[in-house]
Amino acid sequence: NAGVTQTPKFRILKIGQSMTLQCAQDMNHNYMYWYRQDPGMGLKLIYYSVGAGITDKGEVPNGYNVSRSTTEDFPLRLELAAPSQTSVYFCATVSYGTEAFFGQGTRLTVV
Amino acid sequence: GQQVMQIPQYQHVQEGEDFTTYCNSSTTLSNIQWYKQRPGGHPVFLIQLVKSGEVKKQKRLTFQFGEAKKNSSLHITATQTTDVGTYFCAGPDYGGATNKLIFGTGTLLAVQP
Repeated sequence: NAGVTQTPKFRILKIGQSMTLQCAQDMNHNYMYWYRQDPGMGLKLIYYSVGAGITDKGEVPNGYNVSRSTTEDFPLRLELAAPSQTSVYFCATVSYGTEAFFGQGTRLTVV
Repeated sequence: GQQVMQIPQYQHVQEGEDFTTYCNSSTTLSNIQWYKQRPGGHPVFLIQLVKSGEVKKQKRLTFQFGEAKKNSSLHITATQTTDVGTYFCAGPDYGGATNKLIFGTGTLLAVQP
């Protein structure tokens, strides 16, 4: 069991470029969440999904998009990258009512 | 929307001293979870509290859930260098109005040997 797998682990983007952060889980969890964590700060919810085909905005959705076509995958799309999106991005999955399992994170720098 | 605050933001202790972090939610919680994030790592689940006034212990860690289910605390007795990291509380809203999982602002614990 791999659990929650995030790719890539590190990425440097130029301002205005786009990229997709991948999140895949093999635990058959319905709930999936994307967070960003700025240096020395807490976890801010970007988008989340309660099942395939269902997504909703979190606290800081601007500049991001998501899709959930399968239970396993929940990619996060950054369009027109900006320096303010420099952060560590975490994907997490939950089986209803239980703990969240996190991926190892993607460290993104926008220059 | 729901807000979850923690105090203090940062605490530095000598090894062997006790440590407490407090978590306060703007809304009543159905349950509360605690996570630990080591430097450079990802959050890892510690425990979940469900009942009003509930107290749970894990070795040197004691977790409490307030009577009104809007606040919680984590107390570490006799800290060790392995306790270093950021401690987050989180208020899940699974099956509720939002299904969100909102995290507190976190408390960074530094332990000096």
